[in-house]
Amino acid sequence: DQQVKQNSPSLSVQEGRISILNCDYTNSMFDYFLWYKKYPAEGPTFLISISSIKDKNEDGRFTVFLNKSAKHLSLHIVPSQPGDSAVYFCAAMGTSGSRLTFGEGTQLTVNP
Amino acid sequence: DTAVSQTPKYLVTQMGNDKSIKCEQNLGHDTMYWYKQDSKKFLKIMFSYNNKELIINETVPNRFSPKSPDKAHLNLHINSLELGDSAVYFCASSQVLGTGSETQYFGPGTRLLVL
Repeated sequence: DQQVKQNSPSLSVQEGRISILNCDYTNSMFDYFLWYKKYPAEGPTFLISISSIKDKNEDGRFTVFLNKSAKHLSLHIVPSQPGDSAVYFCAAMGTSGSRLTFGEGTQLTVNP
Repeated sequence: DTAVSQTPKYLVTQMGNDKSIKCEQNLGHDTMYWYKQDSKKFLKIMFSYNNKELIINETVPNRFSPKSPDKAHLNLHINSLELGDSAVYFCASSQVLGTGSETQYFGPGTRLLVL
């Protein structure tokens, strides 16, 4: 029972364009959402997060949007850079504790 | 000044052996975690310790035993290793704020291969 889903295993964009990574969740108890970036042979690196009381959080080139009614969030990267090429994981946390539930990841490739 | 470190980074061993993976964090966090990333790339939580107390224990074979000597360290001992234990194991830490909005920081991972 996959409670956090990233339906696109891969995404390819041109440098300078916008990258949009999507994530859907099924558990209505989730109220805190995070995006992690992962390079090969490294651990996930925290990128940006959003609480369920917000619908948007922005940090430089990265913006996360949350649509609670649709149980959907997305990560926008603009402008995309070749160094952004990595696997991006969406993760969710519920009010009950510190357990993070991860999606399966999306491989982003930014072409020069 | 590594925040969350793990040793070893790679571990190749024979089936039936016992091995340990060590994790240390210098962030001053009070909660540490072990996650497993399997061959399908899913990251799943195994254990969590808060101030040396076990707070999350997922459905993990009891061949896996975490040990937290202090809140900066969380080690994972695996007995009688099996082929299916081959995976990447990530340690993480966070500071529990009680707000349900804690960010977890991950180590570089330990790649375990059981032959």
